[in-house]
Amino acid sequence: AQSVTQLDSHVSVSEGTPVLLRCNYSSSYSPSLFWYVQHPNKGLQLLLKYTSAATLVKGINGFEAEFKKSETSFHLTKPSAHMSDAAEYFCVVSQNSGGSNYKLTFGKGTLLTVNP
Amino acid sequence: GAVVSQHPSRVICKSGTSVKIECRSLDFQATTMFWYRQFPKQSLMLMATSNEGSKATYEQGVEKDKFLINHASLTLSTLTVTSAHPEDSSFYICSARDWREGDQPQHFGDGTRLSIL
Repeated sequence: AQSVTQLDSHVSVSEGTPVLLRCNYSSSYSPSLFWYVQHPNKGLQLLLKYTSAATLVKGINGFEAEFKKSETSFHLTKPSAHMSDAAEYFCVVSQNSGGSNYKLTFGKGTLLTVNP
Repeated sequence: GAVVSQHPSRVICKSGTSVKIECRSLDFQATTMFWYRQFPKQSLMLMATSNEGSKATYEQGVEKDKFLINHASLTLSTLTVTSAHPEDSSFYICSARDWREGDQPQHFGDGTRLSIL
């Protein structure tokens, strides 16, 4: 079984300041982990992914995340927030559910607010 | 990058109507597509996994006769909400895996906002 816990339901930052969105996971096997972003009334866009290669993963729009096995964490960071970063962010873990089917387990999401 | 097109983006219809939502992979072949439902301010809930040429696999608690899924080709899956009622109002999102990517992320459509009056 696997699970994802996003530790903050809402994070508010000022424009130009760092962003930290926290995520902890639980998985029986070596997981694949992802961060997705969702803007209002839109689907999900992939920010970055970890699939057992480098533990520090760089994604789009200046975001990055570090996989820490000892802490079972995969926190998302960005050095300087932009107004356009305001959105809902989901931490996701992937599990092979049999054959070639991979099910995603979603965290509950973190709403990022960026203040001018 | 891989693009998934979902149509329509918004549907408003009367109770009792059946509604069909299409999910297309535009530039890749998707042997597997997924259908999710999202309630306001909540995360995505997987409804079913759709495999091309075979029956969909539904998650526990999802009525297969209510939510009909057809995956007739490698680029198209459809979700039909039969005899929709107000409680079926929700945001429905599809996703698809590019079979060439192995254990790689799903690519999501932009979702369909379904409102049943």
